Amino acid sequence: QTVVTQEPSLTVSPGGTVTLTCGPNSGAVTSGHYPNWFQQKPGQAPRALIYSTSHRHSWTPARFSGSLLGDKAALTLSGVQPEDEADYYCLVYYGGAYVFGTGTKVTVL
Amino acid sequence: QLHLQESGPGLVKPSETLSLTCTVSGVSVSSDSYYWGWIRQAPGRGLEWVGSFFYGGDTSFNPSLRSRATISVDTSKNQFSLKLSSGTAADTAVYYCARSYYDSTGYTFFDLWGQGTRVTVSS
Repeated sequence: QTVVTQEPSLTVSPGGTVTLTCGPNSGAVTSGHYPNWFQQKPGQAPRALIYSTSHRHSWTPARFSGSLLGDKAALTLSGVQPEDEADYYCLVYYGGAYVFGTGTKVTVL
Repeated sequence: QLHLQESGPGLVKPSETLSLTCTVSGVSVSSDSYYWGWIRQAPGRGLEWVGSFFYGGDTSFNPSLRSRATISVDTSKNQFSLKLSSGTAADTAVYYCARSYYDSTGYTFFDLWGQGTRVTVSS
């Protein structure tokens, strides 16, 4: 089964910018995999942030943006706020099967 | 307002079947606009897709769970359920139900989630 890998942890200063990536153990992520991104804080259900590579949900702050970076999907947080400290997961669609990334813990310090 | 609420047994003995239900309010589970799915998260671990379905259409499962998982729908109660047979400690997790849909911009996966229900498999 495909494994989708993310950076285990990243640290960013308040007001800074950080980019998270998401890629499979073989091949590339493309727009046809409809990458989605989720944020999860301790003790809470995940919250959807980005769908179909780069589309924000109505509730997603503009400082979150999605893209493709080389052969990976990417989530960029610009002007990071303390409340952005959380775990972030990507989700990649493989024709009827969904694979979550391994997750990235973002620390705001 | 759309709301999803999971319910489950809390504690299941090894080798028994886990039975979970998601009650949906605000939209019909038989709507031809939405897909529905189950996701789980073991303690201290990441998210794992369990299975998804489109009412009247295909159901798909995580290959690692396919042989043990079934999803059923009760339209009279606007609920859908997950059964996972032959439970083991590895099935101990918080189980979430969530909604997906497809539109002109592409696929939106799991935009709305329930709060989750914790299931422990232990004797």
